[in-house]
Amino acid sequence: SYVLTQPPSVSVAPGQTARITCGGNNIESKSVHWYQQKPGQAPVLVVYDDTDRPSGIPERFSGSNSGNTATLTISRVEAGDEADYYCQVWDSSSDLLVFGGGTKLTVL
Amino acid sequence: QVQLQESGPGLVKPSETLSLTCSVSGGSISSYYLSWIRQPPGKGLEWIGYIYYSGSTNYNPSLKSRVTISVDTSKNQFSLKLSSVTAADTAVYYCAASIVRYYFDYWGQGTLVTVSS
Repeated sequence: SYVLTQPPSVSVAPGQTARITCGGNNIESKSVHWYQQKPGQAPVLVVYDDTDRPSGIPERFSGSNSGNTATLTISRVEAGDEADYYCQVWDSSSDLLVFGGGTKLTVL
Repeated sequence: QVQLQESGPGLVKPSETLSLTCSVSGGSISSYYLSWIRQPPGKGLEWIGYIYYSGSTNYNPSLKSRVTISVDTSKNQFSLKLSSVTAADTAVYYCAASIVRYYFDYWGQGTLVTVSS
């Protein structure tokens, strides 16, 4: 089955830019979706189809996808962005939905 | 705005069947892909499976032999049954809905199910 690999943790100072990666074999051929999960809460979709943002998600959240790596970029990081972030794809060959292991974003 | 709410027992005995229901409000269940996702304590997300309002299903192969997802359009609800549970099935269980089957737009708040005697 398709495997997505994320770094366990990323740290960034307030106001700086955080980049969270999601690795997968030829991931650029798939659409990648990103979720933010704060402690004790359900995940929230923040980016879908590589680069699109749902209504209500700040423009500070953006996505890209190239080669074997997709990236969620959070600009001008705020304390409230501290959360776990998960990437997810639909593997069309098996019709299965797959999550990455998650990355904990710490705002220093 | 679609809202989802999980309900069901918070404690299930080993070898028994876990049963949860997700009630959908703020929109018709029709035309949505309806999923179950779980998260063991301190761990990541695992997709369990989905059902389309028409009744077609797709399950994670790792759980397929034990999972049944069903839908009741008259009640705007869908359900999860997971048989022969063990402690490894202890998790927060989320229901989710989406217009497309590729990702999850709307999530319930989640419900913790503990498997223990």
